[in-house]
Amino acid sequence: NAGVMQNPRHLVRRRGQEARLRCSPMKGHSHVYWYRQLPEEGLKFMVYLQKENIIDESGMPKERFSAEFPKEGPSILRIQQVVRGDSAAYFCASSPRTSGSYEQFFGPGTRLTVL
Amino acid sequence: QQQVKQSPQSLIVQKGGISIINCAYENTAFDYFPWYQQFPGKGPALLIAIRPDVSEKKEGRFTISFNKSAKQFSLHIMDSQPGDSATYFCAARNQGGKLIFGQGTELSVKP
Repeated sequence: NAGVMQNPRHLVRRRGQEARLRCSPMKGHSHVYWYRQLPEEGLKFMVYLQKENIIDESGMPKERFSAEFPKEGPSILRIQQVVRGDSAAYFCASSPRTSGSYEQFFGPGTRLTVL
Repeated sequence: QQQVKQSPQSLIVQKGGISIINCAYENTAFDYFPWYQQFPGKGPALLIAIRPDVSEKKEGRFTISFNKSAKQFSLHIMDSQPGDSATYFCAARNQGGKLIFGQGTELSVKP
């Protein structure tokens, strides 16, 4: 069984460019969560999505950040006009459902560097 | 409050010793408490987890102790090995499904 897949693993962008991070959940998982880990810090929740729906985006910055989980294909975290402060590791986690099975399994992350 | 406080920030243990990491929370609505292990450059890996109706859970060398009244829980690693050297995160799940993480503990097990 393939685990949670994220790509790219490393992404370098210049200030002002766009970053697109992709996440394919584990087979059978319909819930996706995005977390951000700044250097020397813990993980911070960003957004929770189910297929075609954003359930909770309370951790997303108000501007430049968006996320989607289409009916077909991976979940995408999009950062427009990146700034140096966006440099971090972005992790995606997937879960089969919220009630009864709480485990969230994490992908290897995408490490974004903004020059 | 949606915070989870974790201590210590770093921990050095001799091989064969017991590693203990503590976490505290305030929100009584949290319903699931996992621990994750993270190696440098890797994603967090689920280690062990507990629900608030259980006071202790053991899996191999790893044990979670949970004190609901004190709103505290801890991870014990028995017979610690150099391969256990990693960063450990406690977390708490709110009823909306998101995980609130502690700040992490960097564990170093000396041979």
